[in-house]
Amino acid sequence: RKEVEQDPGPFNVPEGATVAFNCTYSNSASQSFFWYRQDCRKEPKLLMSVYSSGNEDGRFTAQLNRASQYISLLIRDSKLSDSATYLCVVILTDSWGKLQFGAGTQVVVTP
Amino acid sequence: NAGVTQTPKFQVLKTGQSMTLQCAQDMNHNSMYWYRQDPGMGLRLIYYSASEGTTDKGEVPNGYNVSRLNKREFSLRLESAAPSQTSVYFCASSVGSRRLAGASEQFFGPGTRLTVL
Repeated sequence: RKEVEQDPGPFNVPEGATVAFNCTYSNSASQSFFWYRQDCRKEPKLLMSVYSSGNEDGRFTAQLNRASQYISLLIRDSKLSDSATYLCVVILTDSWGKLQFGAGTQVVVTP
Repeated sequence: NAGVTQTPKFQVLKTGQSMTLQCAQDMNHNSMYWYRQDPGMGLRLIYYSASEGTTDKGEVPNGYNVSRLNKREFSLRLESAAPSQTSVYFCASSVGSRRLAGASEQFFGPGTRLTVL
């Protein structure tokens, strides 16, 4: 079983709509959580950290549910430029610097 | 600032050939990493260097060696390439502060697309 699992998608979203997707992690010792964004054939870039109480960054909202061991990302008012693959990233306690990546969820925003 | 740079961008090797992937960062980061990315697998850590002078194995180190040449540069060597090493290789760096380790953003290079025939 993979440590970090994501629905690969694609999630096809009309421009202006809202899309949300989850990521599940298997190790309860996971302590830090992030969403990275990866455009086609490009390198991953940090989108946002995920905090225990949930957090927003503009149109993006991240939530953490430790009891059920998943994190979520919600994108409001989707833009064409939001089309990308979103990578869920987890760091285990005492695994300094070692990021565990999910395989990614592809989002395609259509006009 | 160029950030993290990698060379080459593309490479085709025959089975058994060797090559070195180069990575350099100009952000004065302490920590550097090598990942491979395969379809449906997510990025997997090959080796990392927490600080200049140290290197450690990651999740998939077999068939690879690394050298942390100085604070800026971290190279990945394939001694005898195999078709299973066909992948996209990313180098990354981070500030690497142990106090902030859990929240240390990693910055990635543009990747090297390697095909082993």
